[in-house]
Amino acid sequence: DGGITQSPKYLFRKEGQNVTLSCEQNLNHDAMYWYRQDPGQGLRLIYYSQIVNDFQKGDIAEGYSVSREKKESFPLTVTSAQKNPTAFYLCASSLQWTGHTEAFFGQGTRLTVV
Amino acid sequence: GENVEQHPSTLSVQEGDSAVIKCTYSDSASNYFPWYKQELGKGPQLIIDIRSNVGEKKDQRIAVTLNKTAKHFSLHITETQPEDSAVYFCAGNTGKLIFGQGTTLQVKP
Repeated sequence: DGGITQSPKYLFRKEGQNVTLSCEQNLNHDAMYWYRQDPGQGLRLIYYSQIVNDFQKGDIAEGYSVSREKKESFPLTVTSAQKNPTAFYLCASSLQWTGHTEAFFGQGTRLTVV
Repeated sequence: GENVEQHPSTLSVQEGDSAVIKCTYSDSASNYFPWYKQELGKGPQLIIDIRSNVGEKKDQRIAVTLNKTAKHFSLHITETQPEDSAVYFCAGNTGKLIFGQGTTLQVKP
């Protein structure tokens, strides 16, 4: 089955810790994205990658970091610098960076600071 | 950059009625406008999309209209059913997808 997989589904973090959220796709898509979703709000773009070995900051990149060493993988690290990390995190991918193609989403990771 | 505004934030309709959700965008370079449906605890799924060279698109009970001059686009759901209850997001796309704030649709049996 082709798709986009996020893990873990639930993640708990202690204050001051860095955590990494996994996102893997086997759709052979060039572009990948990370969004944050808070209750009652839309999806806000954290980082995006147009192609392997390249990525750019989105609207709310502070306190987050990413890498794109492989086409299939786009992990997101939530650092201790992110002051309010509790949220639902969604990864997505699309075939190209042209803006005309459908974005497919993973099932999300719910991160809670304890 | 692109900014997408979506209204209403909540919408309650009786089963069988129609539902309309509206969005406006700011960047005239946006050329692709998808609509996503998100069920509780899951990732959004594309339900319909429209490109800037088209004014209207239909898929069974769902339709989307686009007015490029006014920079707004709308989602129309006819003959609503309880399983249509979900959060709906519109988006504008100039390369990266920028989402509206979402509309929680409740269809009452």
